[in-house]
Amino acid sequence: SQQGEEDPQALSIQEGENATMNCSYKTSINNLQWYRQNSGRGLVHLILIRSNEREKHSGRLRVTLDTSKKSSSLLITASRAADTASYFCATDAPSGGSYIPTFGRGTSLIVHP
Amino acid sequence: DSGVTQTPKHLITATGQRVTLRCSPRSGDLSVYWYQQSLDQGLQFLIQYYNGEERAKGNILERFSAQQFPDLHSELNLSSLELGDSALYFCASSPQPGPNEKLFFGSGTQLSVL
Repeated sequence: SQQGEEDPQALSIQEGENATMNCSYKTSINNLQWYRQNSGRGLVHLILIRSNEREKHSGRLRVTLDTSKKSSSLLITASRAADTASYFCATDAPSGGSYIPTFGRGTSLIVHP
Repeated sequence: DSGVTQTPKHLITATGQRVTLRCSPRSGDLSVYWYQQSLDQGLQFLIQYYNGEERAKGNILERFSAQQFPDLHSELNLSSLELGDSALYFCASSPQPGPNEKLFFGSGTQLSVL
């Protein structure tokens, strides 16, 4: 079962615009991660934000975390056609002493040149 | 390149058959995860190994099994295959199994059951 759920399911924008994706989750977390997946390829880690952090930046990426609302957002500024991909949030779900990144269904982002 | 190697990239087989998917983790990573990705179920966690031992189990069917060998490579065995097992199977690795570990994913094995 999914722990995190991304919203919207699909997003279509023009190059140069900003893209915002949201993630909601159900239970308390240690951290939340964002991953990117190009069509048919493996996921690539983008950024990790810990539960005691509220905002984190990495290049054109900005991630926020609101643990009171159990939600996170990923902002991609000045988008490029190469940003076209699916974006997933993952929260760590405790499982038998281990912590398993559990993924949502993803947001499909299309950036038109 | 993530450093995680999965073979084969594509696999086409028939219902009732058995297949083995192979994964070599990133150098130095002790923990291996298997995920199944399908359009209707999304990315589902199957099983995790750490240093040769099973660490956590997710939505893995009884027809599926896995193991991690002393050299840390892992294999996922799928038997009595059904049409619904058609999916993209990913292996991922991390240095440790704890929280705050980011995963490095392989390119996946696309399994088609006909």
